[in-house]
Amino acid sequence: AQRVTQPEKLLSVFKGAPVELKCNYSYSGSPELFWYVQYSRQRLQLLLRHISRESIKGFTADLNKGETSFHLKKPFAQEEDSAMYYCALGTGANNLFFGTGTRLTVIP
Amino acid sequence: EAGVVQSPRYKIIEKKQPVAFWCNPISGHNTLYWYLQNLGQGPELLIRYENEEAVDDSQLPKDRFSAERLKGVDSTLKIQPAELGDSAVYLCASSLGRGMAYNEQFFGPGTRLTVL
Repeated sequence: AQRVTQPEKLLSVFKGAPVELKCNYSYSGSPELFWYVQYSRQRLQLLLRHISRESIKGFTADLNKGETSFHLKKPFAQEEDSAMYYCALGTGANNLFFGTGTRLTVIP
Repeated sequence: EAGVVQSPRYKIIEKKQPVAFWCNPISGHNTLYWYLQNLGQGPELLIRYENEEAVDDSQLPKDRFSAERLKGVDSTLKIQPAELGDSAVYLCASSLGRGMAYNEQFFGPGTRLTVL
């Protein structure tokens, strides 16, 4: 069965500090991993996906199949990064399985 | 482009009453999803449609929940009768469809249901 684990419900960092949001997954097939973000009073939206291997808003995430992880990183946090972040696992059936989310707060 | 549209945005009902939620996906998106999001949790899939066909409804509690997407465009999710534990946010999402290289899903604003 598939599972996504985000161990931190809350994470606070100071502006300019590095940030890492952890995500581990369990899936027997070939995984597709995503990070979705929900800013205050906005709808859930895609931040980035592992297959595109790009940096979005300074965030990157590398799929580590050996550790079954897909941690989200940014070297210098900004106040506008404060949001709810969800790691999601995609299966070949176009379904997404979400983690419980991490609320990131960037302290000015 | 308005994105995925959902209505109502908020709904308060008493237990045992029926309730319905409506979703209009992005034009051209063949796949439509309904998710349930409980407080402090991530979204959980209830049902997925490919055009008008429900291709995955394994997580839909069929004793009280039903859904339809008659013309392969907009969709309705119904609960009858509602229970206290149904209080949650109901999210609708859409994507281009099966076979696409990317599974990006576009979410609506959700309907927050409160059952008293």
